[in-house]
Amino acid sequence: DARVTQTPRHKVTEMGQEVTMRCQPILGHNTVFWYRQTMMQGLELLAYFRNRAPLDDSGMPKDRFSAEMPDATLATLKIQPSEPRDSAVYFCASGPDRGQDQPQHFGDGTRLSIL
Amino acid sequence: GNSVTQMEGPVTLSEEAFLTINCTYTATGYPSLFWYVQYPGEGLQLLLKATKADDKGSNKGFEATYRKETTSFHLEKGSVQVSDSAVYFCALSDRWNQGGKLIFGQGTELSVKP
Repeated sequence: DARVTQTPRHKVTEMGQEVTMRCQPILGHNTVFWYRQTMMQGLELLAYFRNRAPLDDSGMPKDRFSAEMPDATLATLKIQPSEPRDSAVYFCASGPDRGQDQPQHFGDGTRLSIL
Repeated sequence: GNSVTQMEGPVTLSEEAFLTINCTYTATGYPSLFWYVQYPGEGLQLLLKATKADDKGSNKGFEATYRKETTSFHLEKGSVQVSDSAVYFCALSDRWNQGGKLIFGQGTELSVKP
């Protein structure tokens, strides 16, 4: 089965450091989503792309977060500088964008801990 | 705006018990509805979906019926197993949202005891 691949699976770093999370969407999928999951807030949509163009990043703190798709096989989410409150699991998902009934496929997430 | 509300967890059941997890939604237009499941340490996986009123989605013994009159999409299973222990998310996708953006409920944790 085709899968969304996220790296790294785990990341522990000190506050103030730059963090880069990567996602390889399923081949042929042209929508990509970034989510953050915490106990307190649940699942939050941070940003999403269609055909590599950002459609909505209103859920993302603009001053420290940035999301890009350098090419169709790679999406990145960067935090600079990182803060302890950024500790969470970050999920990437991709979808075929052939209509509203097409499900998203999720990666296994990056578990981020900022000390 | 669009929203999804799920019953709060955790839900604790004995093996072979009947399961219902309630989900109601608010949406403009005609949304598609989904249930996703998240096992510990993993991402979300699609469990089932329904795309129009009165559709019934089913998979792995789970079922949910799209009820437009009550704006609900409750998840049911007749006999749960320990392996069903996970967090379950109800979600909707509205045709007016670009790119198939999903609106998720807060999730309901299910724990099944032997």
